[in-house]
Amino acid sequence: AQSVAQPEDQVNVAEGNPLTVKCTYSVSGNPYLFWYVQYPNRGLQFLLKYITGDNLVKGSYGFEAEFNKSQTSFHLKKPSALVSDSALYFCAVRDEESNYQLIWGAGTKLIIKP
Amino acid sequence: ETGVTQSPTHLIKTRGQQVTLRCSSQSGHNTVSWYQQALGQGPQFIFQYYREEENGRGNFPPRFSGLQFPNYSSELNVNALELDDSALYLCASRNAASSYNSPLHFGNGTRLTVT
Repeated sequence: AQSVAQPEDQVNVAEGNPLTVKCTYSVSGNPYLFWYVQYPNRGLQFLLKYITGDNLVKGSYGFEAEFNKSQTSFHLKKPSALVSDSALYFCAVRDEESNYQLIWGAGTKLIIKP
Repeated sequence: ETGVTQSPTHLIKTRGQQVTLRCSSQSGHNTVSWYQQALGQGPQFIFQYYREEENGRGNFPPRFSGLQFPNYSSELNVNALELDDSALYLCASRNAASSYNSPLHFGNGTRLTVT
């Protein structure tokens, strides 16, 4: 069965430092991977996606993610964190067997301290 | 282009009652999906509508039902409310014709509390 794991409930980073939010997945076909961000009392906003091609994907607000097929991972990264990056981050995956349904991770709370 | 809007923003209902949540999708988006997000969890897929017909459903009982209208609006109806139905309900839309993997555009959600 398809699944997404975000192993860290919370990640704490000092402002200006690089950040990584981890995501691993399990699907039977080729994965289509997504990252979304959720601010308090708001819906989810799309950050970036991997469909095919270059393993390093660049997205909104300076975020990027690296697809690693051998490790079945799609970690979200940013070279220099901002306090305004503090939010809840969700990884999601769909594959050819679930063409209409995204499978979501439980989310990682990112806290950037000044 | 307009975004996805949901109403109401907050709602309190009593166990056993029925509720209707509304969503106005982004213009031109022919696919709408509904999600339930319990506190501290990721979104759980309820169902999806494409051109006014349901074309996908998650593990939710039949008392969760929906409608999609030609004007890009949609509804989520929940009958016989239970305490565990308390959650943030998210509507998301996309244009399935533009790309197989076009991203979802989410509304800000309706916070439903069942007492």
